[in-house]
Amino acid sequence: GAGVSQTPSNKVTEKGKYVELRCDPISGHTALYWYRQSLGQGPEFLIYFQGTGAADDSGLPNDRFFAVRPEGSVSTLKIQRTERGDSAVYLCASSLGETGANVLTFGAGSRLTVL
Amino acid sequence: AQKITQTQPGMFVQEKEAVTLDCTYDTSDPSYGLFWYKQPSSGEMIFLIYQGSYDQQNATEGHYSLNFQKARKSANLVISASQLGDSAMYFCAMREAFTGGGNKLTFGTGTQLKVEL
Repeated sequence: GAGVSQTPSNKVTEKGKYVELRCDPISGHTALYWYRQSLGQGPEFLIYFQGTGAADDSGLPNDRFFAVRPEGSVSTLKIQRTERGDSAVYLCASSLGETGANVLTFGAGSRLTVL
Repeated sequence: AQKITQTQPGMFVQEKEAVTLDCTYDTSDPSYGLFWYKQPSSGEMIFLIYQGSYDQQNATEGHYSLNFQKARKSANLVISASQLGDSAMYFCAMREAFTGGGNKLTFGTGTQLKVEL
């Protein structure tokens, strides 16, 4: 597609529930990144994929968070047993390459609210 | 230590005036890149400008320029002739080639810019 597409744009869930957030990157972009942005803060890195594999998952806060990219295109961020502290905007970005001046193009984000 | 520091939580500027948004960074990596992104109230992050650590000249892109002072580890964004549409949150970010765990961008806390008539 023309840009990075994220669905849903808004998700409200109850504490303890499972959620999935989807990211459809720009066609041909091999690198895909997930970030989390809390209110008034800068984006915080979660995980990035090069192709199908997670090249760096050092930002995932705990084992409730998991992400996949099975065919090297669409990615899904999965959060188990959600907690109120998981409430944030989850941003996905993609880039043609992963080094140097390769620019990350971001989606509009998925706003997650855990009640 | 913070990798990216933005000390101005909020800034005001009059339309058509120039404004400088500060960014300092901390890295021991000899090869790195610095990025500025704009985030309007709609929430989408928009890339503005890039500066590589080995670039000899300051980057420019339209009415944005990056004042890169390598020895001071600063990468300030200069917006010349501010427009009302420049009102947004601005984030400085860094990519380190070898250290910092890979090729991700690390972001600062941002500066909220308000352009006034």
